[in-house]
Amino acid sequence: SQELEQSPQSLIVQEGKNLTINCTSSKTLYGLYWYKQKYGEGLIFLMMLQKGGEEKSHEKITAKLDEKKQQSSLHITASQPSHAGIYLCGADGRETSGSRLTFGEGTQLTVNP
Amino acid sequence: EAGVAQSPRYKIIEKRQSVAFWCNPISGHATLYWYQQILGQGPKLLIQFQNNGVVDDSQLPKDRFSAERLKGVDSTLKIQPAKLEDSAVYLCASSLRPGRTEAFFGQGTRLTVV
Repeated sequence: SQELEQSPQSLIVQEGKNLTINCTSSKTLYGLYWYKQKYGEGLIFLMMLQKGGEEKSHEKITAKLDEKKQQSSLHITASQPSHAGIYLCGADGRETSGSRLTFGEGTQLTVNP
Repeated sequence: EAGVAQSPRYKIIEKRQSVAFWCNPISGHATLYWYQQILGQGPKLLIQFQNNGVVDDSQLPKDRFSAERLKGVDSTLKIQPAKLEDSAVYLCASSLRPGRTEAFFGQGTRLTVV
């Protein structure tokens, strides 16, 4: 089965600082998803990446999928307290339909004002 | 557009009791997922439905957990009997199709087994 490893496990930054969260897969990624979760709540979809080299941005958050399609990074520019939460990467295990959506363990982000 | 609805939001039961969770996915979404998220961990897939058929239930503890999606819309997840280690948030998600599209999550049901 596909395993996703996220790093770091937790991150504390000062407001205004940039940060990067990484997600590494044990197998080729056919679809990579980034979600954000506030404590005790459901997951909020951020972005989906499918092609090697693909990069997407939404407001101050940018996600990339590397060329070999086994690693993704999430970069936040000029972090704000509203960015705090748990960031989870998820992946489709197979290229064909019926694939299982699995998740990493998450990265806990704290942004101090 | 209405999101994924789950109920109850919270549930506290004693060990060996039974409990059921309900999920109403986004209208038109064929794929429905149930996840278990233990505190401090990522969500773990329990079962995946495509319409009313099971696609993947390899990680569902079938001796105590069961799930159904009658008519390919609403779904229920049941635990019988519950154990202390079942304490977790149970998340339901739905998507238009399996794979290559985002899944939308409900708020989850927080289960505490005492």
